Amino acid sequence: DVKVTQSSRYLVKRTGEKVFLECVQDMDHENMFWYRQDPGLGLRLIYFSYDVKMKEKGDIPEGYSVSREKKERFSLILESASTNQTSMYLCASSLEDRVTEAFFGQGTRLTVV
Amino acid sequence: GQNIDQPTEMTATEGAIVQINCTYQTSGFNGLFWYQQHAGEAPTFLSYNVLDGLEEKGRFSSFLSRSKGYSYLLLKELQMKDSASYLCAVRDSNYQLIWGAGTKLIIKP
Repeated sequence: DVKVTQSSRYLVKRTGEKVFLECVQDMDHENMFWYRQDPGLGLRLIYFSYDVKMKEKGDIPEGYSVSREKKERFSLILESASTNQTSMYLCASSLEDRVTEAFFGQGTRLTVV
Repeated sequence: GQNIDQPTEMTATEGAIVQINCTYQTSGFNGLFWYQQHAGEAPTFLSYNVLDGLEEKGRFSSFLSRSKGYSYLLLKELQMKDSASYLCAVRDSNYQLIWGAGTKLIIKP
């Protein structure tokens, strides 16, 4: 079974804190993605990576950065958390064939107070 | 701009059939996905359509018409565990996934 694991299910952070969200996949997938999911909106892509040390901005990269030092791990960093970054964050991975489906982690519900 | 439209919420009865529609306007088309997401859980893959027609997978079927920019997910013999959100996503010309907001399906006994 493909497994995508996010480090935390729930996080509460203070405004201005630097926040790290970790994601690990065990299927040797080339592509990894970070999305946020908010009520009434579709999943919105923050960043994605198609190879180690490679990263591409998605639709809403502002206020975020990412790191991919190893193929299996993709980290999302909130440089200075703000209340409008309170959201569900979903990590996903997929093969690089551009056809097969993406597999998602269980999500991290982040609250910034 | 790119847009995926799905109904926000639908209600159906256990044992019945329900059809969830998805219309899309995207820059290019390289396949359409349906995912199921139970409350508080990860989305899980249900189906993939890239050619016109119906794909059947057990109680679930998915239909695509590329000329109409339209797809539907058909769920038969509904069970209580089918209560979930159903997400439609289209892969555009850049192979990026564009997501609909999801349809919350409520199953009543």
